[in-house]
Amino acid sequence: ETGVTQSPTHLIKTRGQQVTLRCSSQSGHNTVSWYQQALGQGPQFIFQYYREEENGRGNFPPRFSGLQFPNYSSELNVNALELDDSALYLCASSLGGRNGLSPLHFGNGTRLTVT
Amino acid sequence: SQQGEEDPQALSIQEGENATMNCSYKTSINNLQWYRQNSGRGLVHLILIRSNEREKHSGRLRVTLDTSKKSSSLLITASRAADTASYFCATGGSNYKLTFGKGTLLTVNP
Repeated sequence: ETGVTQSPTHLIKTRGQQVTLRCSSQSGHNTVSWYQQALGQGPQFIFQYYREEENGRGNFPPRFSGLQFPNYSSELNVNALELDDSALYLCASSLGGRNGLSPLHFGNGTRLTVT
Repeated sequence: SQQGEEDPQALSIQEGENATMNCSYKTSINNLQWYRQNSGRGLVHLILIRSNEREKHSGRLRVTLDTSKKSSSLLITASRAADTASYFCATGGSNYKLTFGKGTLLTVNP
């Protein structure tokens, strides 16, 4: 059983640029959630994908978008980067999607720095 | 916004002692989960307790849930240096997402 893997591990971008972060789900999991974790804070929910459709969204602007592919891997795209987007971006996979009852299996995250 | 609030924010104990962390939340839930995060890494799921359960055990972990007080506690018994980490509670409602608190930083001194 392979765990959740994220790439890249670290990334430095300039304000105004665009970034794509990638995530491979744990085998057998059909749901992917993305979280943003600022330094010293808890993870904040960005959105969730279940069977390739967005299943819910947190309080993030439309410049945060995502995709889930038929193999349940996922991408997080952020356009027009701002300094406040600097954070650890965490991907988590789970089984079952809609009811929030499944434990989340997290990757080790992508550390994004915007300068 | 963060639903759960952990207390204390930081806790330092000696190896072998017990560690207790508390979590309070504001809205109704159908489950509450605890996660551990080692510095700069992903979160690891520890335990899930449903809203109709009052207590749950897993190894050295004991979780209680009091829905009338909207609070939960995580007890780690006989702590080890390897338990040093941040601990987060996360609440799940009737929808899709988990809402995390800000965490408790536990330091276990050898």
